[in-house]
Amino acid sequence: GAGVSQSPSNKVTEKGKDVELRCDPISGHTALYWYRQSLGQGLEFLIYFQGNSAPDKSGLPSDRFSAERTGGSVSTLTIQRTQQEDSAVYLCASSLARDSGSQYFGPGTRLLVL
Amino acid sequence: GEDVEQSLFLSVREGDSSVINCTYTDSSSTYLYWYKQEPGAGLQLLTYIFSNMDMKQDQRLTVLLNKKDKHLSLRIADTQTGDSAIYFCAARSGNTGKLIFGQGTTLQVKP
Repeated sequence: GAGVSQSPSNKVTEKGKDVELRCDPISGHTALYWYRQSLGQGLEFLIYFQGNSAPDKSGLPSDRFSAERTGGSVSTLTIQRTQQEDSAVYLCASSLARDSGSQYFGPGTRLLVL
Repeated sequence: GEDVEQSLFLSVREGDSSVINCTYTDSSSTYLYWYKQEPGAGLQLLTYIFSNMDMKQDQRLTVLLNKKDKHLSLRIADTQTGDSAIYFCAARSGNTGKLIFGQGTTLQVKP
């Protein structure tokens, strides 16, 4: 079927506002991952979900960042009180299971905080 | 913590072979990956290798893994201008699903 989709593709917001980024994984994939790509930090892991297990939040940079995954499918990454250093491309990936070899990435959401 | 290192830039002539190298620190990495990123695009999974393999070949791509030295390489045979992109090496961390990425190697292919 279709690949990983993300929306919006671009988001411009003002410092201090909250933003929500959405990820729709490949149908049937139980594992979902969020990463962020920025010029200064490269590609960083943020959080991952595997089935009904507690998510691994070890990569979230601050408590302004949170994510949820409803019904084991779509995920939303929320950034509260955005800061300029949050500007980056936020990438979502999914795989059949945590132990599956292949992680497939979506096109990303480019976030710019003014 | 876990770390993955790559050289930042490689320039080759069209038709030559390209070899992109990567080293990683986590000896418990189970899978090692190569992703390609073209300008303005997302990450495209090129290939991956399981840690109990030494080599994997897929058409023009050959991955070599030296687990003892924690060294991974990607060889692209008959490199084409369409291969110009950034190539990321990634290691899957231990028994988790998260990937640790290198900084990316920019491959420039000259006609």
